[in-house]
Amino acid sequence: GESVGLHLPTLSVQEGDNSIINCAYSNSASDYFIWYKQESGKGPQFIIDIRSNMDKRQGQRVTVLLNKTVKHLSLQIAATQPGDSAVYFCAENVPYSSGAGSYQLTFGKGTKLSVIP
Amino acid sequence: ETGVTQTPRHLVMGMTNKKSLKCEQHLGHNAMYWYKQSAKKPLELMFVYNFKEQTENNSVPSRFSPECPNSSHLFLHLHTLQPEDSALYLCASSSTGAPFSNSPLHFGNGTRLTVT
Repeated sequence: GESVGLHLPTLSVQEGDNSIINCAYSNSASDYFIWYKQESGKGPQFIIDIRSNMDKRQGQRVTVLLNKTVKHLSLQIAATQPGDSAVYFCAENVPYSSGAGSYQLTFGKGTKLSVIP
Repeated sequence: ETGVTQTPRHLVMGMTNKKSLKCEQHLGHNAMYWYKQSAKKPLELMFVYNFKEQTENNSVPSRFSPECPNSSHLFLHLHTLQPEDSALYLCASSSTGAPFSNSPLHFGNGTRLTVT
């Protein structure tokens, strides 16, 4: 079946540098995407989302880019800080084959981001 | 404070025990969910409730039994579990109803379950 995946399982960056976390999705009908951050011992925390009618959305120090042509999603973190160390998940809203307007949120396995002080 | 509170944080149970996980959301949301998170696997959807009505059971074994008495509370009743059921069980809520529409899920911090 189709699923969300990640290019790299781990990423190490120097404090102050920018981080880029990538995600590939395979369902071209997905119309909504979310990035989550999960710190050790905690549940996933919503970071930013983007709908398929957009190709870029910015938040505080984070930017999500969506390339529907190649079905690629990325999360950019500016001036990465030690507190950014966590596992980052992308998720896509996949429409059900039955039921108009029905979706299921499908998660990738996650990328572990480590920030080097 | 995540707005979604799960208890207990940790639970160790034998295969013959019966226990329950509790979730409460303080966000005024209409939909609640149970997810299972195992090591090195993506989050797996278990159950979805929309306005207290179960709208999704993602082929979950009957040894897991959900209960949603109102839109703010969700339980997961456990009985005769297997060691492979050991995982982090996450509760989530969303403002719009399930099946999912385009609104993010808000997660609790989970219950770490160990089945011995």
